[in-house]
Amino acid sequence: GAVVSQHPSWVICKSGTSVKIECRSLDFQATTMFWYRQFPKQSLMLMATSNEGSKATYEQGVEKDKFLINHASLTLSTLTVTSAHPEDSSFYICSARGQTNYGYTFGSGTRLTVV
Amino acid sequence: SQKIEQNSEALNIQEGKTATLTCNYTNYSPAYLQWYRQDPGRGPVFLLLIRENEKEKRKERLKVTFDTTLKQSLFHITASQPADSATYLCAPATMDTGRRALTFGSGTRLQVQP
Repeated sequence: GAVVSQHPSWVICKSGTSVKIECRSLDFQATTMFWYRQFPKQSLMLMATSNEGSKATYEQGVEKDKFLINHASLTLSTLTVTSAHPEDSSFYICSARGQTNYGYTFGSGTRLTVV
Repeated sequence: SQKIEQNSEALNIQEGKTATLTCNYTNYSPAYLQWYRQDPGRGPVFLLLIRENEKEKRKERLKVTFDTTLKQSLFHITASQPADSATYLCAPATMDTGRRALTFGSGTRLQVQP
């Protein structure tokens, strides 16, 4: 089945630094990937849609200059949290549409802690 | 605006019983509805999809119903086990080519007691 690999699974960084999160589709090509953020005891909130070879589409309220998305190939999308601050601490999850049954495949998530 | 409602209160049941989770939606006309399982610190995992022209779908101990008149889906786990303890998310969706992200309900946490 479709597998999405997300790395790192957790990261701790200092305030003001940048962190890159990678999301790879291992056995299928994903022209579109999605990035979500999830705060404790809340549901997933869509941040942006990553399109291969073009600019990402950001949801209202999400700063595109802070959350840089690059989708340079059909199997890799990256999310870079720039100048991270403690309020950016959250669980970040990527997703791509699988090839069958309309089900979406999610990465295992990245727990970001900014100190 | 579109709204997806799941019971935010945790559902506690005894092992062996049937768990029933509810998903209600408003201002939507979904062509299909998906259910996902999410364990703590993990991404959601796809469980089942049911289309608007299907009343019921089954997969092993799981059963999903879809009532487009009531705008509601029910998710059942029969003969529940402690390993079924997780948060379950529903996601109504329109027909698309995979370029549209899913929107999730807030999820219902299920706790199955041994």
